[in-house]
Amino acid sequence: DIQMTQSPSSLSASVGDRVTITCRASQSISSYLNWYQQKPGKAPKLLIYAASSLQSGVPSRFSGSGSGTDFTLTISSLQPEDFATYYCQQSYSIRTFGQGTRLEIK
Amino acid sequence: QVQLVQSGAEVKKPGSSVKVSCKTSGDTFSSDAITWVRQAPGQGLEWMGGIIPIFNTTNYAQKFQGRVTFTADESTTTAYLELSSLRSEDTAVYYCARETKWNYYYFYMDVWGEGTTVTVAS
Repeated sequence: DIQMTQSPSSLSASVGDRVTITCRASQSISSYLNWYQQKPGKAPKLLIYAASSLQSGVPSRFSGSGSGTDFTLTISSLQPEDFATYYCQQSYSIRTFGQGTRLEIK
Repeated sequence: QVQLVQSGAEVKKPGSSVKVSCKTSGDTFSSDAITWVRQAPGQGLEWMGGIIPIFNTTNYAQKFQGRVTFTADESTTTAYLELSSLRSEDTAVYYCARETKWNYYYFYMDVWGEGTTVTVAS
């Protein structure tokens, strides 16, 4: 199975900050990479698919980039509702998720 | 917009089985897959596999092979996960999600159920 490794595992930031989360695949996955946001007690929510395509209804402050093995999720200006856990997930083969990045308020 | 509604929380004894349902809001299944993802307390997301109901094709994560079964009832547009030989490590929230595709090859889970909590305890 393809291993997905996110960094950092946790992150403290302030409202208005620019934040970047990294996801690395154990082998090339082209652009078959999705990003999800999960808040406590809630189901995950799709943010980005195909590495850089913004899901309908998701604010434009979220963006994704990368291909091959290295990917990033960027939040351009953190809002209070963005404090959550973020997961990457590959759909190149048998699906696997990263371990998650917890974004906390500084 | 499709919605997925899951069955309620379950408490099971070790060694027993559990069956979780996931009803879609449409009248018929599309060609999309229904996938199952679980999340143990305080842990990350774990893909279990999926089913394409209109073709009745299934795909299971190797970890669960032989212990999990996905089925679907087209008459009620409901998908099911059945997990047998339960152990304490199976205590988790189980989510169903629609896995759809863009541009033929890019698959992603865009609609999620609310989750079903399964607790395995003696």
